[in-house]
Amino acid sequence: EIVLTQSPGTLSLSPGERATLSCRASQSVNSIYLAWYQQKPGQAPRLLIYGASSRATGIPDRFSGSGSGTDFTLTISRLEPEDFAVYYCQQYGSSPLGTFGQGTKLEIK
Amino acid sequence: EVQLVESGGGLVQPGGSLRLSCAASGFTFSSYWMSWVRQAPGKGLEWVANIKRDGSEKYYVDSVKGRFTISRDNGKNSLYLQMNSLRAEDTAVYYCARASLVGLYWGQGTLVTVSS
Repeated sequence: EIVLTQSPGTLSLSPGERATLSCRASQSVNSIYLAWYQQKPGQAPRLLIYGASSRATGIPDRFSGSGSGTDFTLTISRLEPEDFAVYYCQQYGSSPLGTFGQGTKLEIK
Repeated sequence: EVQLVESGGGLVQPGGSLRLSCAASGFTFSSYWMSWVRQAPGKGLEWVANIKRDGSEKYYVDSVKGRFTISRDNGKNSLYLQMNSLRAEDTAVYYCARASLVGLYWGQGTLVTVSS
């Protein structure tokens, strides 16, 4: 099973700043099968990025994804107040069941 | 508009059973793998089970094998999760999700609480 490790666990930033979230896999992941989700309290996760770097429908262009192999990154170029949430990476190509990272909480500084 | 609406959650005693349902609309249900993903209170996401488009293949996380059964009825555009021998550690919000190469599309979830 591929284990995804996200860092940092918590990221404290101010609106307008740039956020960089990391997702590291225990073995190589096909980029096609790497996604990022945003989850706000009391809500279901929402797809942000699929295929490591493609934005889902309706996602603002301040969100971008990059990476390959075992290292992937979600970048939010200029934080808006509504961006403060928990972010999860996910891989779903290596086995019939995918796995999720443990999440990064992005909080207001 | 794609919609996934879960139902069937609630409070159940340890060892009890519960059947979750997910009503799908706004897309061709039979064309997609479907999944159940859960989230324990204050914790992260855990993929519980997957089912192929025609129901011919099913996969489970080890912790639920032999206790949970995923199924679907393409004629009713519905996904199910039969949960037996429930344990306290099964307490979570259970999400129904549509799976594809572009990731998961999620329902709003239903809360299952296992407690005496």
